[in-house]
Amino acid sequence: DAGVTQSPTHLIKTRGQQVTLRCSPKSGHDTVSWYQQALGQGPQFIFQYYEEEERQRGNFPDRFSGHQFPNYSSELNVNALLLGDSALYLCASSLFGTGDNEQFFGPGTRLTVL
Amino acid sequence: GDSVTQMEGPVTLSEEACLTINCTYTATGYPSLFWYVQYPGEGLQLLLKATKADDKGSNKGFEATYRKETTSFHLEKGSVQVSDSAVYFCALSEANFNKFYFGSGTKLNVKP
Repeated sequence: DAGVTQSPTHLIKTRGQQVTLRCSPKSGHDTVSWYQQALGQGPQFIFQYYEEEERQRGNFPDRFSGHQFPNYSSELNVNALLLGDSALYLCASSLFGTGDNEQFFGPGTRLTVL
Repeated sequence: GDSVTQMEGPVTLSEEACLTINCTYTATGYPSLFWYVQYPGEGLQLLLKATKADDKGSNKGFEATYRKETTSFHLEKGSVQVSDSAVYFCALSEANFNKFYFGSGTKLNVKP
């Protein structure tokens, strides 16, 4: 049973560019959440997708957008990259509406903006 | 709004010492509480969880008790090992929302 997978593992971009990160949820999960983890900090919630719609959003600008596909996989897009967007981006999957709210995290994509 | 506060690190202990990492939370409802561990270069792994007041989560010798009266969920282990060296994150999730709020993490270094 594959867990949560993310691609790519590492990415280097320059300011102003756009980036797309990908996530495949754990088998049987239908909900994908994205988090940004700056160096030395805890993960910060970006948004959550369920049934191909954004259900919740954290305090991130519109430069951060996403998409969920019918197979439940998801993409995170960041436009007009800033140096401050350099971070580890984590994807987490879960089953919507379960009582224990457990999320399973992928290994992350390390984004460096130069 | 919801938030989690945990003790700052790093925490450095000798092998077989006792560990306590403090975590307190603020929540509007009745959250579930979690401890996640992050080893170098890896993603987050669930260590333990508790879904209601007075529940005790435990795993791999670690335990934490959901204390509603003190809004706390302190992580404890009686005897740490070198392999426990990692960053530990306390987190909460409001019921049915699956949105997590994380603390800033506490780095644990265990020396032989």
